[in-house]
This record gives sequence, structure tokens and C-alpha cells, in this order.
Amino acid sequence: GAVVSQHPSWVICKSGTSVKIECRSLDFQATTMFWYRQFPKQSLMLMATSNEGSKATYEQGVEKDKFLINHASLTLSTLTVTSAHPEDSSFYICSARDAAGGGNSPLHFGNGTRLTVT
Amino acid sequence: AQSVTQLGSHVSVSEGALVLLRCNYSSSVPPYLFWYVQYPNQGLQLLLKYTTGATLVKGINGFEAEFKKSETSFHLTKPSAHMSDAAEYFCAVSDQTGANNLFFGTGTRLTVIP
Repeated sequence: GAVVSQHPSWVICKSGTSVKIECRSLDFQATTMFWYRQFPKQSLMLMATSNEGSKATYEQGVEKDKFLINHASLTLSTLTVTSAHPEDSSFYICSARDAAGGGNSPLHFGNGTRLTVT
Repeated sequence: AQSVTQLGSHVSVSEGALVLLRCNYSSSVPPYLFWYVQYPNQGLQLLLKYTTGATLVKGINGFEAEFKKSETSFHLTKPSAHMSDAAEYFCAVSDQTGANNLFFGTGTRLTVIP
């Protein structure tokens, strides 16, 4: 089945530094990928939609200058948390849809990245 | 607009007992409904989904859910719980099959007692 690989699975960084998270579709091409954030004991919240070859679309309340998204190829999207602060500590999950399946194909989720900012 | 309410943030069942996880939705258009499972420190795996047609949907690992429009519900059930079912379960709704605008519930953590 379709696999989405997310890397790293966990990362600890110091306040003020930047962290890059990668999301790769391993056996399919994804023109669109999605980034979610999950706080403890809460649900997933869509942060942004990553579009291959164009700018990402951010949800209301998400700072685009803080959460930089790049979707440079059909199999890779990256999320960079810039100038991280402790309140950015969270579980970040990406998902992707097989471009060949069109709008009706299911979303495939990565295994998530747990970010801890000290 | 769509929203999801999952009653019970934590459900405990004995191994072999019935699993019932509740999900109620709100949608201004015909909904598409999903159940996802999340194991610790992992992403989400699709258990099952309802789009159109038969209201009783069967998914993986013996789970099933029934869409009840009159009750705006999509409860998840499994006749006999296994230890491996212990995980976090999320109900989600969208207005299009596979759309990115999935609205998730807050999740229900299932504990299976041996």
C-alpha cells in the first residue's frame, strides 16, 4: 500500500533554532500534502496544505513565516519550524494523497514527528 | 461547516468484550465520515470510511461503523476486543471524499484490560 515516510520521528532542539521535518511519499506521487499539528490529548489540526511547485496554503491562525513549507517535488514536502520556542513543542503529522487517484483517493499519513523545544 | 464530537476521551474494555466508541457529527452538507487509529508516536491509519451507499461499513481489524443520519452518529464497534486494539481512535468528517478539509474529533483512547 501507499507509504508516507516522515523524518525525523523525534527531535529535540534549543529555543531559537530551526528544525526541518521531511515528508516523503515513497511509492506514489503527491501533488498535495498536508501538515497537521497535534497537541497532547487534543485532536489534529490542519496547519497548511502543501502544493507541489507553488506556495502553501495556510489555515487561519498559522504563521506562515514561522512554519515554512516547501514542496519542491512530487514526493517531498518539508516543514521548517523557524526560531522554535517551547510552545512549538508538539506532534507534527503529514499526509499525502496519490495524485493518480484524483480527489477521491484516500489520505495516507506519516508516522509523525515529536518536536520538543527546550 | 463540519464538526465532530467524540464522547468519552478514554474507554476501557476487557479483552473479548464489545468495543463501542461514539462519534456524533455536525454537517451542513451530506457528510463523508472516517475513523482513524493512531498507535503511540505514529501517524494515523484509516480504519474505515463512509461515503455513500450502505450505511454499515466494515473496516480493517474487525471494526465496523454504522452511519445513522437521523442520529447524526457514526459509532465504531468491534464485537471482541484484542489487546492489540489499544490505541487512540479519531473520528473525522469532511464534505468530500478524501478532501483535505478533514475535521477531527478529539480522540478516544481505548484501553484493553487483560
